[in-house]
Amino acid sequence: KQEVTQIPAALSVPEGENLVLNCSFTDSAIYNLQWFRQDPGKGLTSLLLIQSSQREQTSGRLNASLDKSSGRSTLYIAASQPGDSATYLCAVRLSPGSARQLTFGSGTQLTVLP
Amino acid sequence: DTEVTQTPKHLVMGMTNKKSLKCEQHMGHRAMYWYKQKAKKPPELMFVYSYEKLSINESVPSRFSPECPNSSLLNLHLHALQPEDSALYLCASSQLGPGDTQYFGPGTRLTVL
Repeated sequence: KQEVTQIPAALSVPEGENLVLNCSFTDSAIYNLQWFRQDPGKGLTSLLLIQSSQREQTSGRLNASLDKSSGRSTLYIAASQPGDSATYLCAVRLSPGSARQLTFGSGTQLTVLP
Repeated sequence: DTEVTQTPKHLVMGMTNKKSLKCEQHMGHRAMYWYKQKAKKPPELMFVYSYEKLSINESVPSRFSPECPNSSLLNLHLHALQPEDSALYLCASSQLGPGDTQYFGPGTRLTVL
């Protein structure tokens, strides 16, 4: 059974810092990996999706990398801002089939201090 | 339009009530999902509909009954719920193909008294 772990569970940084969030998964036979942002009591916003054949994806100040062989992904946030404060979840999708479910990590709660 | 909408935003119900949650998307997606999320926990998959047919039921109690009337709509009928069913219920949809990003709605905050 695929297990997804995110470390740290919580992170607090001063505004302007560059930071890295980590995600690890036990089964490297993934279809893709997705990073989400969730604000308190709200739904999930997809940030980046990396296919299993890709090594990284970038969107603005965000860069996500994927190392399938080691079962790891990182989300790099450059020049953090207080508006980046949220919980960040990674989720891996198993090989495609009739079901396209995601296995989520428990998330990293990020606080960016002004 | 890359939006998934959910109604209502908040719902309070007693254990004997019957209520329904509604989810709608107009992106032409052919897969739709229901998730349950407790505080400070990741979402847990409940149901998956693929081409309007139920393809996954993650051993969800029968007091939760999903329905997919058409390709744009997904309902979750609730009956005789327990207080421990109080949670954020999230709906999502995806295209069913390469680059299969899931788009989530804002959720319905359910409280069972």
